[in-house]
Amino acid sequence: KQEVTQIPAALSVPEGENLVLNCSFTDSAIYNLQWFRQDPGKGLTSLLLIQSSQREQTSGRLNASLDKSSGRSTLYIAASQPGDSATYLCAVRQETSGSRLTFGEGTQLTVNP
Amino acid sequence: GAGVSQSPSNKVTEKGKDVELRCDPISGHTALYWYRQSLGQGLEFLIYFQGNSAPDKSGLPSDRFSAERTGGSVSTLTIQRTQQEDSAVYLCASSLRLAPTYNEQFFGPGTRLTVL
Repeated sequence: KQEVTQIPAALSVPEGENLVLNCSFTDSAIYNLQWFRQDPGKGLTSLLLIQSSQREQTSGRLNASLDKSSGRSTLYIAASQPGDSATYLCAVRQETSGSRLTFGEGTQLTVNP
Repeated sequence: GAGVSQSPSNKVTEKGKDVELRCDPISGHTALYWYRQSLGQGLEFLIYFQGNSAPDKSGLPSDRFSAERTGGSVSTLTIQRTQQEDSAVYLCASSLRLAPTYNEQFFGPGTRLTVL
């Protein structure tokens, strides 16, 4: 059974700092990995999708990397802003589980002005 | 364009009552998913619809849960004889399904269900 773990569970940083969120998964047979953000009381916003054949994806100040063989992904946020405060979730789509996503429990990020 | 929409945004019900939750996927998306987000349990998959294929119901927690997708678009998740442990945020997602391996899922705002 696939298990997705995110470390740290919570992170508080001052504005302007660069930061890294970590995601690991136990079964490396994945099609892709997706990073989301979730604001309190809201749904999920897709940030980046990385195919299993890719090593990284970039969108603005966000960069996500994927090391499929070691079961790891990182989300790098450059020059953090208070508006980045949210819970960040990673999710993997396995080759053997159809189209469902398996989620980590998230990292709650607070960026202090 | 319009994203995934869900209704109601909040639902409070009494134990033992039936509830229906609605999802309108992004127009043109052929795949539709339901997930549940509970305190202490994270996000868990419930059910998946793809076109006219038989749905993947393997995530439904009990036979009190069922879902339909009419006309390949709108979906309804029904919970019969609700229990307090059904209290959660129910999230719907859709994807375009361009290829078997490409499956970016876009989520709705969720329905917060509270069973008293």
